[in-house]
Formats: sequence, structure tokens, C-alpha cells
Amino acid sequence: DAGVIQSPRHEVTEMGQEVTLRCKPISGHNSLFWYRQTMMRGLELLIYFNNNVPIDDSGMPEDRFSAKMPNASFSTLKIQPSEPRDSAVYFCASSFMDGYTFGSGTRLTVV
Amino acid sequence: QKEVEQNSGPLSVPEGAIASLNCTYSDRGSQSFFWYRQYSGKSPELIMFIYSNGDKEDGRFTAQLNKASQYVSLLIRDSQPSDSATYLCAPGGRSRGSTLGRLYFGRGTQLTVWP
Repeated sequence: DAGVIQSPRHEVTEMGQEVTLRCKPISGHNSLFWYRQTMMRGLELLIYFNNNVPIDDSGMPEDRFSAKMPNASFSTLKIQPSEPRDSAVYFCASSFMDGYTFGSGTRLTVV
Repeated sequence: QKEVEQNSGPLSVPEGAIASLNCTYSDRGSQSFFWYRQYSGKSPELIMFIYSNGDKEDGRFTAQLNKASQYVSLLIRDSQPSDSATYLCAPGGRSRGSTLGRLYFGRGTQLTVWP
């Protein structure tokens, strides 16, 4: 089991550019979560999917953020346009029954 | 807003001691409780979960749950320097056997175990 796979591991981009983060959940897990972690705010849930359907996107900061899950094995989180305050570590996690398994995260820096 | 409060830390204990990490939560509907460990620069890693009131032991770790008091704790016996990390408490709204929904994470308690 390769675990939850996220890419890229690091992303440095200029303000105003589009950023796409990718996630492959564990096979058989039917829920997928996107979190953002900063020192100031800790772990914040952005959006989660159950069986590929978005269930709760109330944590998505604003319209600049969007997420998709076109199938059970892939999800994307897109930020367009990016801003310096979006700099954070973005985690994807998947789950079935007992607890989440987190990916290694994407460290995003917007300059 | 569902609140999860953890002892603010940082917590520092000597090697071999018992480390006690505490968590209170506001949502009385929470049915499942998870403890995650996060090393600096790494992703959170699940170490314990508990569903029923009482104690659950797994090696050096013991989770304690009191739903009436809305309180969950994690004890680490015989603490080792390798236990130095941030510990995150996460209550959730689904019971055992149900697909897990969202978890509400606390800010975490930073633990340092010194040799």
C-alpha cells in the first residue's frame, strides 16, 4: 500500500499564478479530505468528498479555491489566482472507517 | 463552531516519565476520538482511536475517554526522546462501523522528552 500520494511536494509560485495540487487516495477509501496547516491557524478543513461527491466545502476560503474529484483515485485542489497569504502546507487525507491517513503534504510558497 | 481544546504546552518531561496530554471538545455528538502524532515537517500520523468510555491501551499509549465530561486524554508511559512531537486530538461525529466523516482537530500539544 503506497499510502496517500500528493504532488508536488514543494511549490513556489508568484502571486497571481494558478496552482494545482494533486492527490491520489488509498484504494478502497471512500472519503477524501483537503486540509491546510499554518502556524497561526493549525489544521483547517477546506473541503471533503464522500464517494467522489463534495459534502462540505464551507472551509474553502474564497472563490479562488476550487476542488474536484473526477474519480475515486484522484483529486485536485486549485488556487487561481494565488496570493502570498495562501502560503501553507496543504494535506490530503483519505479514510474509510477508523481515522484518516494523511499524505506527505504540499508545501506551497507564494511570493 | 465545534471547539477542540488541548493543553497549550509545550510539555516537557524527562525520559522514562509519563506524559499526559489532555483534550476537551464542545460537540456532544462526537462519537469517535483520534490521537495523531506529528513530527516537525511531517504529516500527522494516527496513533490511537477510542470510541467507548474508559481506557484503551496500546503498548506504551493509553487513551482515556469520558463522554459525560467531554474529555479525552492520551498517556504515554516510559516516554522516549523519539516521542517528542506535536500531538493532535481529533473528535469525530461517526460511530464505529460507520464511514468516518470530518474530524475537528485541536491545535495540538508539543511534547519534548529530554534524555
